[in-house]
Amino acid sequence: EDKVVQSPLSLVVHEGDTVTLNCSYEVTNFRSLLWYKQEKKAPTFLFMLTSSGIEKKSGRLSSILDKKELFSILNITATQTGDSAVYLCAVGLTQGGSEKLVFGKGTKLTVNP
Amino acid sequence: AAGVIQSPRHLIKEKRETATLKCYPIPRHDTVYWYQQGPGQDPQFLISFYEKMQSDKGSIPDRFSAQQFSDYHSELNMSSLELGDSALYFCASTIRRGHGANVLTFGAGSRLTVL
Repeated sequence: EDKVVQSPLSLVVHEGDTVTLNCSYEVTNFRSLLWYKQEKKAPTFLFMLTSSGIEKKSGRLSSILDKKELFSILNITATQTGDSAVYLCAVGLTQGGSEKLVFGKGTKLTVNP
Repeated sequence: AAGVIQSPRHLIKEKRETATLKCYPIPRHDTVYWYQQGPGQDPQFLISFYEKMQSDKGSIPDRFSAQQFSDYHSELNMSSLELGDSALYFCASTIRRGHGANVLTFGAGSRLTVL
């Protein structure tokens, strides 16, 4: 069974802290790993990772994939209260000629002022 | 930029009633996915369509059906509603690339409450 596990499930930090969110997976026919940020409604796309060891960066957020050890991390430096959200990790895989995403349960990040 | 449009945003139904959710993908996107997200849960894949044909099926109950129309919009029909169907239903769309991975763009979701 395809599985995506995120840790920690919940994290509370102070503004300015740096956080690392973890995502490990066990899937067949891996295509990609995606990070989404979910605030009140729909998940919004952050990063897509397909190759090992190549860091993707966007402002204070960065992410990297390790396809040998089957995990990814999402780093947020100098956190702000606006970073408070649930961060979802999803693995894109192919199955029977089509693609789908399998999501982890998310990490709920709370950044206090 | 145009996004994925879902309607209605909120829907309240009673048990055993029927509900229909609509999804309008980003223009030129050919693939639509439906996900169900219960309170405090991760999104669960229900069903997907590519070029108006069902391409994959997940944990969609038999009481639910869906289709993609000629204009690429999709509808999720839910019958004999149960309390456990109360959830946020997301539609996502993408352009399927031959061998590359796809980034899904999600709509804002339709919140269904079954009383």
